[in-house]
Amino acid sequence: AQSVTQLGSHVSVSEGALVLLRCNYSSSVPPYLFWYVQYPNQGLQLLLKYTSAATLVKGINGFEAEFKKSETSFHLTKPSAHMSDAAEYFCAVSDTGGADGLTFGKGTHLIIQP
Amino acid sequence: DTGVSQDPRHKITKRGQNVTFRCDPISEHNRLYWYRQTLGQGPEFLTYFQNEAQLEKSRLLSDRFSAERPKGSFSTLEIQRTEQGDSAMYLCASSNVGGHTEAFFGQGTRLTVV
Repeated sequence: AQSVTQLGSHVSVSEGALVLLRCNYSSSVPPYLFWYVQYPNQGLQLLLKYTSAATLVKGINGFEAEFKKSETSFHLTKPSAHMSDAAEYFCAVSDTGGADGLTFGKGTHLIIQP
Repeated sequence: DTGVSQDPRHKITKRGQNVTFRCDPISEHNRLYWYRQTLGQGPEFLTYFQNEAQLEKSRLLSDRFSAERPKGSFSTLEIQRTEQGDSAMYLCASSNVGGHTEAFFGQGTRLTVV
């Protein structure tokens, strides 16, 4: 069975500071990993995905994530936070590329301090 | 095409009533997914279709939940005899498996059972 753990239900950073959102996964097979962002009263938007190609994945809005098999992690980073980054972020895992549905973590609420 | 469309956006119903939600996927997408998202949690996978075939329904929450996609285009999710615990956001997503595109999510239907 797959699972995702997102450490920290809330993360607060200052505008311009590094953003680091943590995600650890559990999967019995090589996983596909995803990060989604959700703004209030909106659906989810894909930020980036790992599909066993490069371990460092670049996404939209300046976000990137690194797949570390030894640590079973897929942490999301952005060098410099912007006020517009304030949102809910979800990490998700699939062992079929997502075609059969995704298993999501509980989410991390990112707060940007001016 | 403007993306995945869900209707209604909000639904308030009395306990014991039946409700039905509609999802119109992106037109060329052959897979359609339903998720439930409760407050403070990540989306929880419910079921999915490839064209009109429902390929996974064991994770529907109870026999009060059912979904259809009769012509392989739009889909409906019905909840019979609603309970207060059914209050949640119901999200629909679609993807094109053959093209290996990501899943695009709709804005969701927020159900409140009173």
